[in-house]
Amino acid sequence: AQSVSQHNHHVILSEAASLELGCNYSYGGTVNLFWYVQYPGQHLQLLLKYFSGDPLVKGIKGFEAEFIKSKFSFNLRKPSVQWSDTAEYFCAVNPYNTDKLIFGTGTRLQVFP
Amino acid sequence: EAQVTQNPRYLITVTGKKLTVTCSQNMNHEYMSWYRQDPGLGLRQIYYSMNVEVTDKGDVPEGYKVSRKEKRNFPLILESPSPNQTSLYFCASGQVNYGYTFGSGTRLTVV
Repeated sequence: AQSVSQHNHHVILSEAASLELGCNYSYGGTVNLFWYVQYPGQHLQLLLKYFSGDPLVKGIKGFEAEFIKSKFSFNLRKPSVQWSDTAEYFCAVNPYNTDKLIFGTGTRLQVFP
Repeated sequence: EAQVTQNPRYLITVTGKKLTVTCSQNMNHEYMSWYRQDPGLGLRQIYYSMNVEVTDKGDVPEGYKVSRKEKRNFPLILESPSPNQTSLYFCASGQVNYGYTFGSGTRLTVV
């Protein structure tokens, strides 16, 4: 079955620390990849997406993600986090030519000043 | 402003009392979907709709119904709610390639 794994369930960082959140998926075909962010008490918002081309994609608020096809991974990174990045982050996979969006279980990020 | 509107935001109800959570979008999207979000389980799809009068089950459809009589509206119906349906519900619309637009969520408690 298709699935998305986010191994970091809860990450705690100090401001200015670097961030990397892992995302692995199980699907043999072509996929589109997404990261969504959910700030406390709010709905999900699109952070960045990958369809094709350069495997390093840049999103809003200084986030970026790298697609490594051989590892079925799409890790999210930010060089220097801020307190305002405190949120829950969801990786999602869309098997190509479908409308299905499969979410990971999420990673809760807490950034302390 | 492009948006997906859900109502109500919060709802406490008793077991067995039918309820409807409304969802409306103003972007003329054909595709709409309902998810539930539970701690440690992420978002799981309940039902989705490809267009008016076209609906299909997602991963966790048991205990839910939907209808799509108009393009803009996609209500979620719980005919006989049970405590295991206590959750945070999100409606979404859009084209998956461009990223869905999500509603603000409905926190449902069934006692």
